Amino acid sequence: QLQLQESGPGLVKPSETLSLTCSVSGHSFTCSGCYWGWIRQPPGKELEWIGTIYHTGRTYYNPSLESRVLMSVNPSENHFSLKLRSLTATDTAMYYCALGLWYFNLWGRGTLVTVSS
Amino acid sequence: EIVLTQSPGTLSLSPGERATLSCRASQSVTHSYLAWYQQKPGQAPRLLIYGASSRATGIPDRFSGSGSGTDFTLTISRLEPEDFAVYYCQQYSTSPRTFGQGTKVEIK
Repeated sequence: QLQLQESGPGLVKPSETLSLTCSVSGHSFTCSGCYWGWIRQPPGKELEWIGTIYHTGRTYYNPSLESRVLMSVNPSENHFSLKLRSLTATDTAMYYCALGLWYFNLWGRGTLVTVSS
Repeated sequence: EIVLTQSPGTLSLSPGERATLSCRASQSVTHSYLAWYQQKPGQAPRLLIYGASSRATGIPDRFSGSGSGTDFTLTISRLEPEDFAVYYCQQYSTSPRTFGQGTKVEIK
């Protein structure tokens, strides 16, 4: 059964770079048509799509975040990663990884990231 | 980008009642590329509906979606205790994918 698990620091300082990893288990990471995404949700606010990546490395980013985002894949270790640089307090959110290109079939449990000095 | 506006913000209903949730788009969502999710406190969202009206795997048939263009509806025919949650719509007809602000279905 496919499962996704986010990992990363819970607290990062303003201006620094956030690095998150999503581990995929129970399914082939390189399956045809399997796209992997990141979505975030600030406390009490709506969901925001960050970006999506295919196992070949092709990426699709939200234009509002594109200048600060880098996504990558590591097929040999069955995981994909998110880097978000130049953090501010507005980047404080629950970060989810998910399966899907257009809509999101399955989500990880999420990891809370707080940006604070 | 397409802005999705959900209404009402909160829906207070009793178990067994029918829930009707609305999602209105700022411009036409082509091909009915609209999805609905359910989110319970402390949990990740769960896909309910895609393509405006297709139920995701394992979703009970009391959940149904309809609509096209700019107006979409999620209907829960008879509320079960486990259905009290927040519901989000999401469009994927244009990039960036965007979500509505959510409708909370609470126990009356």
